[in-house]
Amino acid sequence: AQSVTQPDIHITVSEGASLELRCNYSYGATPYLFWYVQSPGQGLQLLLKYFSGDTLVQGIKGFEAEFKRSQSSFNLRKPSVHWSDAAEYFCAVGATGGYNKLIFGAGTRLAVHP
Amino acid sequence: GAGVSQTPSNKVTEKGKYVELRCDPISGHTALYWYRQSLGQGPEFLIYFQGTGAADDSGLPNDRFFAVRPEGSVSTLKIQRTERGDSAVYLCASSSRTNTEAFFGQGTRLTVV
Repeated sequence: AQSVTQPDIHITVSEGASLELRCNYSYGATPYLFWYVQSPGQGLQLLLKYFSGDTLVQGIKGFEAEFKRSQSSFNLRKPSVHWSDAAEYFCAVGATGGYNKLIFGAGTRLAVHP
Repeated sequence: GAGVSQTPSNKVTEKGKYVELRCDPISGHTALYWYRQSLGQGPEFLIYFQGTGAADDSGLPNDRFFAVRPEGSVSTLKIQRTERGDSAVYLCASSSRTNTEAFFGQGTRLTVV
């Protein structure tokens, strides 16, 4: 069965520090992979997506993610975190049947210390 | 409007009552999705509409849940005989045929007391 695991429930970093959020997926074929961010009172916003091609994907707000098939991972990274990045981050895989039929992980809540 | 609009933003209802949740997708978007997000969890897929028809309703948890999209635009998620376990944020998303990114609304927080 398709699934997504985000091992870290909460992460705290200092402003200006680098960030890596982990995501592991289980999927039988080549996956469509996504990272979304959810801020309080806001809808889910797409940060970046991977379909095929270059395994290093650039997104909005300075985020990037790297698809590693051998590790079934799609980790999200940012070189320097800003206080406004504090939010909940969700990794998702596109399930069989449709592009936007997404299976989400449980999320990682990011806190940023000044 | 510019984005996906969901109403109401909050709904409190008594156990056993019937509720309707509304979603206005982005104008021109033919695909519409409903997800449910329970506390501390990621969103879970409920149903997908392409135009007026439900193309995939495999995520609806039971027959108390039903959704319609009669004119291919606005959609209503209907829950009968609500239970406390139905308490969650219900999210709606839409996408166009050519731009396949799904845009999410801010959700309706349903609380069943």
